Amino acid sequence: QSALTQPASVSGSPGQSITISCTGSSSDVGGYNYVSWYQQHPDEAPKLIIYGVSNRPSGVSNRFSGSKSGHTASLTISGLQAEDEADYYCTSYTSGGSLLFGGGTKLTVL
Amino acid sequence: QVQLQESGPGLVKPSQTLSLICNVSGGSISSGGYYWSWFRQHPGKGLEWIGFIYYTGSTFYNPSLESRLSISVDTSKNQVSLKLSSVTAADTALYYCARDLNNHYPIFAFDLWGQGTAVTVSS
Repeated sequence: QSALTQPASVSGSPGQSITISCTGSSSDVGGYNYVSWYQQHPDEAPKLIIYGVSNRPSGVSNRFSGSKSGHTASLTISGLQAEDEADYYCTSYTSGGSLLFGGGTKLTVL
Repeated sequence: QVQLQESGPGLVKPSQTLSLICNVSGGSISSGGYYWSWFRQHPGKGLEWIGFIYYTGSTFYNPSLESRLSISVDTSKNQVSLKLSSVTAADTALYYCARDLNNHYPIFAFDLWGQGTAVTVSS
């Protein structure tokens, strides 16, 4: 199974919005609404920020939003803050009954 | 609140079997319908899913690891275990256990994570 495709890096200035894409296939992203996004700061465990394509767990800022179109899911972070600088990973359930990750995107807040 | 704590040997020799424990505290594994999962992260790399287990014992494994992998749950000890056989240097990673957000059916989104346990495979 190939990893989902994410850009290696994105950047933005404080207050701006950025979008991270996550491209898969009809066997994963395009076929299921089990797409999640995780934020990981250095030396910390991943934190779930979006599940079911567009749902936010309790306590997650509404600056984070998710969407999906076809085989591509997207994470948008609005009103960028310095604390958003982290690695971001998408995941999707697959037709094979497994879980596939994207390669991760490093977000730099300029 | 429920907390997860991974533990393991730290160092494993090539070809041996890696055994890890995820201790669940603050709640009973058998009282909820959660899926429990193992993940790993190679040094400086991204995340990789290893496998899930339901509290009843049903398992789903990463196809790339399935032939070497066993995940089990011990409800009496409130632990989830991972065994990975015939390890090589490629299995050197930080290993995490985590719990699915939903307790009625899996939604494959994990909101509760342990801090991870580092494993090095070396002779």
